[in-house]
Amino acid sequence: KQEVTQIPAALSVPEGENLVLNCSFTDSAIYNLQWFRQDPGKGLTSLLLIQSSQREQTSGRLNASLDKSSGRSTLYIAASQPGDSATYLCAVTAYNQGGKLIFGQGTELSVKP
Amino acid sequence: GAVVSQHPSWVICKSGTSVKIECRSLDFQATTMFWYRQFPKQSLMLMATSNEGSKATYEQGVEKDKFLINHASLTLSTLTVTSAHPEDSSFYICSASSGGLETQYFGPGTRLLVL
Repeated sequence: KQEVTQIPAALSVPEGENLVLNCSFTDSAIYNLQWFRQDPGKGLTSLLLIQSSQREQTSGRLNASLDKSSGRSTLYIAASQPGDSATYLCAVTAYNQGGKLIFGQGTELSVKP
Repeated sequence: GAVVSQHPSWVICKSGTSVKIECRSLDFQATTMFWYRQFPKQSLMLMATSNEGSKATYEQGVEKDKFLINHASLTLSTLTVTSAHPEDSSFYICSASSGGLETQYFGPGTRLLVL
């Protein structure tokens, strides 16, 4: 059974710092991996999607990497800003499970001015 | 990107009543829709998967008679919480895809409070 774990559960950094969020998954048979952002009381915003054949994806100050063989992904945020404060969720789409997304518990990020 | 809406965005109801939540794909045909539940400070947990015209497939531990899912068209799925109780209070989020392993697009969520 696929399990997704995110470390740390919470992170507080001063504005301007570069930071890394970690995601690990137990079964490497994934179709893709996504990183989402969720603001308090709101729905999900998709940030980056990495197909299983890809190693990384970039969007602005965000860079996500995928190492399928080791079951790990990282989300790198450069030059963090207070507006980046949110919960970040990673999720994998597993093969042979009808397209289900399996989510990690999330990392709650706080960027202090 | 594709747009998915949910209605209502929030609802308060009395214990014992039923509540219906709608999920609509606005600009694509959603062969498959997923319903998730999220408790405070927790991640999303998949409740059920529905394919248009078929019965929903529920995850282990989710009562199908309590959470009725209908996916009668390619643009609309509904989740009805029957005989709601305070412990059903949660954030319900739907997603829609064009089927298989295609990307899921998420709705904005519905917050349910049962008094």
